[in-house]
Amino acid sequence: NAGVTQTPKFQVLKTGQSMTLQCAQDMNHNSMYWYRQDPGMGLRLIYYSASEGTTDKGEVPNGYNVSRLNKREFSLRLESAAPSQTSVYFCASGVGGETEAFFGQGTRLTVV
Amino acid sequence: AQSVTQLGSHVSVSEGALVLLRCNYSSSVPPYLFWYVQYPNQGLQLLLKYTTGATLVKGINGFEAEFKKSETSFHLTKPSAHMSDAAEYFCAVSGNDYKLSFGAGTTVTVRA
Repeated sequence: NAGVTQTPKFQVLKTGQSMTLQCAQDMNHNSMYWYRQDPGMGLRLIYYSASEGTTDKGEVPNGYNVSRLNKREFSLRLESAAPSQTSVYFCASGVGGETEAFFGQGTRLTVV
Repeated sequence: AQSVTQLGSHVSVSEGALVLLRCNYSSSVPPYLFWYVQYPNQGLQLLLKYTTGATLVKGINGFEAEFKKSETSFHLTKPSAHMSDAAEYFCAVSGNDYKLSFGAGTTVTVRA
């Protein structure tokens, strides 16, 4: 079972470059999430999508945009990467509410 | 808005000793509470969750947690630590808005 698949797994960007992180889930989940993980700060929610066609800001949305392309796919775009965006990014999906979220393996992004 | 606070960023225990990880939540509505575990270079996996009903929740790998509404707490325990329990543990809270928020995490090391 694939579950939640993120691509790429690793990426190095130069300051000012743009890129899109891809996420797809095959569990027919309504809700999808993007988090960043930094040492000592846990997982911080960037954006989430409660259902297809809706997106909402999380705790740290500045510098990011998202697209819920369809029920399976939820992409995260960095328009102009900054060193402060160096992080590990996780995508997750779930039914929402009382049901747990399932996580991808993460994308390790370095901005130089 | 809901949030969680994990007390203690690092816990060190001896093999066979009690593991206690503390989590307090803030929520304006009855919360859904989760504990996740992350092993090095991996995504997160669910240990256990509380939604409604029994306040003592049992999870995988011998972990359990107790929901105490009066103390707004959801502490995680394991009676006897094993070397394989060395990992980072995250408390998380969700509500009916489908937003899933995490604490800063607690790293557990187990001494032989």
